[in-house]
Amino acid sequence: GQQVMQIPQYQHVQEGEDFTTYCNSSTTLSNIQWYKQRPGGHPVFLIQLVKSGEVKKQKRLTFQFGEAKKNSSLHITATQTTDVGTYFCAGFDSNYQLIWGAGTKLIIKP
Amino acid sequence: DSGVTQTPKHLITATGQRVTLRCSPRSGDLSVYWYQQSLDQGLQFLIQYYNGEERAKGNILERFSAQQFPDLHSELNLSSLELGDSALYFCASSPGSAAWEKLFFGSGTQLSVL
Repeated sequence: GQQVMQIPQYQHVQEGEDFTTYCNSSTTLSNIQWYKQRPGGHPVFLIQLVKSGEVKKQKRLTFQFGEAKKNSSLHITATQTTDVGTYFCAGFDSNYQLIWGAGTKLIIKP
Repeated sequence: DSGVTQTPKHLITATGQRVTLRCSPRSGDLSVYWYQQSLDQGLQFLIQYYNGEERAKGNILERFSAQQFPDLHSELNLSSLELGDSALYFCASSPGSAAWEKLFFGSGTQLSVL
């Protein structure tokens, strides 16, 4: 079945370093959403990308949707402790089924 | 606060038992989704209801069933429970059934099967 692969599974960074997570689909996605789940919390919607090559920014977060609409990335500049959590991508396939990535857990090194 | 209410927050039961998880969507939302999240795992889509009708089905076991009532609240029934069913069960809602709508998640029900 259709899958959305998300890497890496974990990323350990020092506070102030950058963080990036990538999602790749085997087929074209109609759009893609990003969610953040804090430890012990529930997923919270961050953003949706629809257009090919779209780039959106939210303060220190930059979201990209690939030209072929098969991949997406989330980049966080200068991470802070408040960024800790798991970031999920979720893409809609041609049948408008939401396919979730496995998530990338951002861990800030002490 | 997402506006989605799930009860109970925690549930401890034994293998072979049956439990019911309840979800009240945000006011005005017609779609309800159920997800399962095992420890440190991703989100597994179980089922979606839209305005009382089943809309989409994911990897939901035959031992599990769900329904959405006329007042739009939903219940997820889990029967013949196994140890492996221990997980966090999330309910989410959205206004309609369109693919571009964002999901609002509840705080989840933590199920422990002993």
